[in-house]
Amino acid sequence: GENVEQHPSTLSVQEGDSAVIKCTYSDSASNYFPWYKQELGKGPQLIIDIRSNVGEKKDQRIAVTLNKTAKHFSLHITETQPEDSAVYFCAAPDNYGQNFVFGPGTRLSVLP
Amino acid sequence: EAQVTQNPRYLITVTGKKLTVTCSQNMNHEYMSWYRQDPGLGLRQIYYSMNVEVTDKGDVPEGYKVSRKEKRNFPLILESPSPNQTSLYFCASSHDRSSYEQYFGPGTRLTVT
Repeated sequence: GENVEQHPSTLSVQEGDSAVIKCTYSDSASNYFPWYKQELGKGPQLIIDIRSNVGEKKDQRIAVTLNKTAKHFSLHITETQPEDSAVYFCAAPDNYGQNFVFGPGTRLSVLP
Repeated sequence: EAQVTQNPRYLITVTGKKLTVTCSQNMNHEYMSWYRQDPGLGLRQIYYSMNVEVTDKGDVPEGYKVSRKEKRNFPLILESPSPNQTSLYFCASSHDRSSYEQYFGPGTRLTVT
């Protein structure tokens, strides 16, 4: 089945710096890759996603890049702010495309 | 307000005492699912439902049951809870299987002693 790895598990950056989280997947047929943000005490919320027919997608300070050949995709957050502190999850479709396999998560801390 | 609600938010129980965690969505979504979240393991799917009366196992279904009698509700049932089911549980819904964005509930923290 699909296997999703995520690195790093924890990340601390200074406010204003950039943060990058990387995920790798195993199924070359996967075609959709979402990123979820989970704030303390809340459920995950979709923040950005990318489909396999594009290599990059941006939404203000966040962007996602996809390398289909290497089977990895990354979340980029620029000009980080304290409210970016959260746990971030990547995901990829399972073999049948019916469900998603989530990465183990990255805890991002933005230090003032 | 469009949302997924779960009850209870916190629950402490003892081994073997049957419990139900309710989940309800008001977005007329067809697809609903349950996940458990454990440190270092991310979100793992327990069960999912593509529509009323249609349910299927996810990656970690052992010890859990679900039902989908109504479109809006998808309760998670633990017939005989054990300590290894101590976890944070999330219900999620999406418009249908091909609508990839999932909307998550606020979570239920379960402790089984």
